[in-house]
Amino acid sequence: EVQLVESGGGLVQPGGSLRLSCAASGFTFSDHDMDWVRQAPGKGLEWVGRIRNKANSYTTEYAASVKGRFTISRDDSKTSLYLQMNSLKSEDSAVYFCARGKLHCSSGKCYSGYYGMDVWGLGTTVTVSS
Amino acid sequence: NFMLTQPHSVSESPGKTVTISCTRSGGGIGGYYVQWYQQRPGSAPTTVIYEDNQRPSGVPDRFSGSIDSSSNSASLTISGLKTEDEADYYCQSYDSTNPVFGGGTQLTVL
Repeated sequence: EVQLVESGGGLVQPGGSLRLSCAASGFTFSDHDMDWVRQAPGKGLEWVGRIRNKANSYTTEYAASVKGRFTISRDDSKTSLYLQMNSLKSEDSAVYFCARGKLHCSSGKCYSGYYGMDVWGLGTTVTVSS
Repeated sequence: NFMLTQPHSVSESPGKTVTISCTRSGGGIGGYYVQWYQQRPGSAPTTVIYEDNQRPSGVPDRFSGSIDSSSNSASLTISGLKTEDEADYYCQSYDSTNPVFGGGTQLTVL
């Protein structure tokens, strides 16, 4: 079964740090780009950042709201994705989802890139408050 | 940068058809694929449409997607509405390299 399970959420004070993890199973993790998406209470989905696969040099990209404070990494040998969050603010309070980047397959080859997210974890809650 | 604009809410009766729009401001709607996600209360999003108009396995054919270059928008149409379709729906596309989500549309089936 294809599965993503986030962990590491909790209560942290403003200015603090937290590291989220996402354990993947049931698919070839290394083939896929991976995204973090968050959802503040009562709000919509907000893309946080992504890390490309090895074929795309593990390139990372971030939303302007988190750039310089958040870092995404991955360990393909452990089929795990991480989100290191530093200098946390109250507006970072949200449910954080990890999501698998969909592959586009054609003529026997598959490509990662700009094809959406096809598997989501259940999310982990981060609360930034004093 | 660009935005994807969705109606805040729509409502329709069971058995009817509803269409949710997603209008792109800045750049052509056909430049990058559009995806649609369904999110029921307290649950994670799931994909109902990918690559503009493709349905993942397991999604009923009551769900369909399209794009319209003339209005620079994408649409999600759900026919034969069921109470289980009541959820928030988000469109998503790309701004060169980065994903962008629409603000979401709350669908009420009553």
